[in-house]
Amino acid sequence: DVKVTQSSRYLVKRTGEKVFLECVQDMDHENMFWYRQDPGLGLRLIYFSYDVKMKEKGDIPEGYSVSREKKERFSLILESASTNQTSMYLCASSAGGRGTDTQYFGPGTRLTVL
Amino acid sequence: SQQGEEDPQALSIQEGENATMNCSYKTSINNLQWYRQNSGRGLVHLILIRSNEREKHSGRLRVTLDTSKKSSSLLITASRAADTASYFCATGLSGNTPLVFGKGTRLSVIA
Repeated sequence: DVKVTQSSRYLVKRTGEKVFLECVQDMDHENMFWYRQDPGLGLRLIYFSYDVKMKEKGDIPEGYSVSREKKERFSLILESASTNQTSMYLCASSAGGRGTDTQYFGPGTRLTVL
Repeated sequence: SQQGEEDPQALSIQEGENATMNCSYKTSINNLQWYRQNSGRGLVHLILIRSNEREKHSGRLRVTLDTSKKSSSLLITASRAADTASYFCATGLSGNTPLVFGKGTRLSVIA
């Protein structure tokens, strides 16, 4: 079974703090994704990566950056957290070379920024 | 870039009844996928249907795809309380574009 793990289930941070959300997958997947999920807005794609050291902006990249130094790990960074970044963050991975393949999700990190 | 849109937004049924959720989309697709999300958890892939397929089954799930109407439906037969969750459709577009998820249908199955 594919396993995607996220570093924290719940996280509370203060405004202005630098926040790191880590995601690790154990199936040698090429593609990795970061989403945020808010009530009424569904899943919105923040950043994605189709290869090591490669990253692409999604629909809402502002205020975020990412890092993919190893194939299995994809990190989401909030350089200076703000209250409007309070949300559920979901990481996903997929095999193959196409973004349309089945995605496998981690359990999510619920981030609260005070 | 919201592509798929589920209907209804929320659905409440009795255990044993069938649940039908619909997804409409705007542009041509390569495939369409359905995912389930239990409260506060990550999404779980249920089924994928390719653009050249019209119907697909998996256990109690039946998915149809009508590319002429740009719509898909997910039918859960003989629903159980454990089916209570949010269900999302995701469209796989051409090229290397990532999946685009809808906002989901919240299903409540009452025992």
